[in-house]
Amino acid sequence: KQEVTQIPAALSVPEGENLVLNCSFTDSAIYNLQWFRQDPGKGLTSLLLIQSSQREQTSGRLNASLDKSSGRSTLYIAASQPGDSATYLCAVGGFKTIFGAGTRLFVKA
Amino acid sequence: GAGVSQSPSNKVTEKGKDVELRCDPISGHTALYWYRQSLGQGLEFLIYFQGNSAPDKSGLPSDRFSAERTGGSVSTLTIQRTQQEDSAVYLCASSFRVDGELFFGEGSRLTVL
Repeated sequence: KQEVTQIPAALSVPEGENLVLNCSFTDSAIYNLQWFRQDPGKGLTSLLLIQSSQREQTSGRLNASLDKSSGRSTLYIAASQPGDSATYLCAVGGFKTIFGAGTRLFVKA
Repeated sequence: GAGVSQSPSNKVTEKGKDVELRCDPISGHTALYWYRQSLGQGLEFLIYFQGNSAPDKSGLPSDRFSAERTGGSVSTLTIQRTQQEDSAVYLCASSFRVDGELFFGEGSRLTVL
């Protein structure tokens, strides 16, 4: 059974800092790994999708890496801004897609 | 449609009533997922459709929950004899194929009084 863990559960940083969010999973037989953002009371917005054959994906200030053998993914956010404040979720895609509990990020102005 | 559409956006019902939640996926997406998110919690997998078939119903919490998908498009999640613990946001997602990117709707917030 796939289990997905995200560390830290919450993070507060000053504006401008670079930060790393971590996601680990127990079963390496995955189709892909996807990072989402969720704002309070809203649905999920897709940020990055990494297929199982890929090592990383980049979009603007975001970079996500995937190491299937060690069951880990990281989301790197460069030069954080107050608008980045949200909950970040990783989702491991297999026969069914399983989510981590998320990291709540607060970026202070 | 342009995105995943869910209705109703909000539903308040009395304990014991039945409710139906609807999901209209992105046109052409063959895979459709239902998740439940309770207050302050992560996403709990409920059921997954590939076309009209549900290969995995293991996440449905009880036999009060059922789901169907018709025409490879619209899906309905039905909760019979609702209980207060069913109160949550029910999220639907679709993807072009099983290993494709998931796109979510805004969710249906269910409150059982």
